[in-house]
Amino acid sequence: DQQVKQNSPSLSVQEGRISILNCDYTNSMFDYFLWYKKYPAEGPTFLISISSIKDKNEDGRFTVFLNKSAKHLSLHIVPSQPGDSAVYFCAASGTGAGSYQLTFGKGTKLSVIP
Amino acid sequence: ETGVTQTPRHLVMGMTNKKSLKCEQHLGHNAMYWYKQSAKKPLELMFVYSLEERVENNSVPSRFSPECPNSSHLFLHLHTLQPEDSALYLCASSQDWGTTIIQYFGAGTRLSVL
Repeated sequence: DQQVKQNSPSLSVQEGRISILNCDYTNSMFDYFLWYKKYPAEGPTFLISISSIKDKNEDGRFTVFLNKSAKHLSLHIVPSQPGDSAVYFCAASGTGAGSYQLTFGKGTKLSVIP
Repeated sequence: ETGVTQTPRHLVMGMTNKKSLKCEQHLGHNAMYWYKQSAKKPLELMFVYSLEERVENNSVPSRFSPECPNSSHLFLHLHTLQPEDSALYLCASSQDWGTTIIQYFGAGTRLSVL
């Protein structure tokens, strides 16, 4: 059973508009969440993270929102640029023993159309 | 030097071959990881090394044998693989294996088993 779910395999957005990528999790022990971005033929690169003590974290055009009660997080990209076209992975971890273990979603492929 | 380097980038092997994947990190980290990414599946953690000691082995078949001679290098030795082992193998490293860990990934080795 998947503990981290990205239910949209793909998303297309017009350049300049907002991209919203969603992620749901089932394990209530998760308390740290990360987004990674992956271009073809490259490894995933860290984008932004959020701790469960926060509900929002912002870094430039990227904002991650966390709704703990709904076990849901989202990544907002504003404005979207063609260079943002990539696969985005949501990942989660807990604290304490085993906190090094990241549990990943399957990814959402974002296409930003010029 | 890029942060995490993996070689080779592509590998084709028969089921009776023995080959090794290599990973090197230049980030001064002391934890290293092997992941497997199969088509349509999330990244799966295979092995974790912290300070050159294996701390996690996620029920990986013995035909995969990791080796971590020092904190900068990680190997994955492959022997008598099956076609279903064809996948992208990713190496990652992190500062430590405590809380709020950000893992940094290499570009991966695309493995095809014939």
